[in-house]
Amino acid sequence: SQQGEEDPQALSIQEGENATMNCSYKTSINNLQWYRQNSGRGLVHLILIRSNEREKHSGRLRVTLDTSKKSSSLLITASRAADTASYFCARDTGRRALTFGSGTRLQVQP
Amino acid sequence: EAGVAQSPRYKIIEKRQSVAFWCNPISGHATLYWYQQILGQGPKLLIQFQNNGVVDDSQLPKDRFSAERLKGVDSTLKIQPAKLEDSAVYLCASSLDYEQYFGPGTRLTVT
Repeated sequence: SQQGEEDPQALSIQEGENATMNCSYKTSINNLQWYRQNSGRGLVHLILIRSNEREKHSGRLRVTLDTSKKSSSLLITASRAADTASYFCARDTGRRALTFGSGTRLQVQP
Repeated sequence: EAGVAQSPRYKIIEKRQSVAFWCNPISGHATLYWYQQILGQGPKLLIQFQNNGVVDDSQLPKDRFSAERLKGVDSTLKIQPAKLEDSAVYLCASSLDYEQYFGPGTRLTVT
């Protein structure tokens, strides 16, 4: 079974609103990564946060990591219809192979 | 730069038949991965290669799945014989560092 879960499983918002997705995991990590998957572009890397980092930004994305709670969150600000996709957190425990969660399906209504 | 290439994109076979998937990683990427993604789930690692050596194949069903990476470049994943539960998208990825680059995947349907 997959280690950890994303929450919520599905999220529907209006364009311009912010979207927050959460990820919990069970084992220690080297880094945690977020990926986006849609039918057009497949699975694409968004952002990586290392275990000694607490927050990271990339454009409209903000990722936080709390290793004491074994949780991470992804915030997408000012969402666009093109952000409609499934978002996965993926844990790297140090061997570079990733353990993915079950994903959050985000629908951004125009 | 060219991305990760996979073929075929779609494959339909009957159970107990065999099938093979091909992957060409990004040039210079030493690490190659095969993942299985069942509908509605996240990808699950099947096997990880570093150059042409296996790093992790603990989740590969070795009684029916096999994989090889010739000369540390291209890789093939084979299923023989296929079962209904093997219906999934098979994703190949490569990496130079921590970020993984995924191919478009092969959608396998076993009937």
